[in-house]
Amino acid sequence: GNSVTQMEGPVTLSEEAFLTINCTYTATGYPSLFWYVQYPGEGLQLLLKATKADDKGSNKGFEATYRKETTSFHLEKGSVQVSDSAVYFCALSPNSGNTPLVFGKGTRLSVIA
Amino acid sequence: KAGVTQTPRYLIKTRGQQVTLSCSPISGHRSVSWYQQTPGQGLQFLFEYFSETQRNKGNFPGRFSGRQFSNSRSEMNVSTLELGDSALYLCASSQTGEGAAEAFFGQGTRLTVV
Repeated sequence: GNSVTQMEGPVTLSEEAFLTINCTYTATGYPSLFWYVQYPGEGLQLLLKATKADDKGSNKGFEATYRKETTSFHLEKGSVQVSDSAVYFCALSPNSGNTPLVFGKGTRLSVIA
Repeated sequence: KAGVTQTPRYLIKTRGQQVTLSCSPISGHRSVSWYQQTPGQGLQFLFEYFSETQRNKGNFPGRFSGRQFSNSRSEMNVSTLELGDSALYLCASSQTGEGAAEAFFGQGTRLTVV
């Protein structure tokens, strides 16, 4: 079946530190991959996505590259800010049919000034 | 363009009661999905509706049901509430609900069962 595994949190970083949140997936075929972010008290917002191998999604300084050979979609940011404190979810959507998004368990990031 | 609207934002119910949650998708979106979010289980898929038809269903008991109206608005109902139903219920809308189509989430309804 389809599944997403992402690194356990919480992750605590100082402002301007480099961020990596690991995400690996198991899927039949070639899914689309997503990173969603959830700020306190809010729903999920799409941060970035990639729909095929070697695609790089990017937004607000965050990047992730779709690596088919390692079935990974790690999230990175070169310099985090306090405002990046949130929970980050990696997710996949199979490209065939209309099966729902499959989410990882989420990684809580806290950035301290 | 208005986003996904979920009402109410907060609910407190007693065990055994039933509850109805509402979701208004983005205009033009025909797919509405519901998720339950809890600290222990994370985000779990409940069901998806497309053009008033349930197209997918997650692994939840029959106490959880939903429907979609002709204007794409959706409701979910939970009957005979249990303490374990306390969660954040999230609704997501999408144009097609397929593949790379982006899902837009509402702010959620926080349900507390006492």
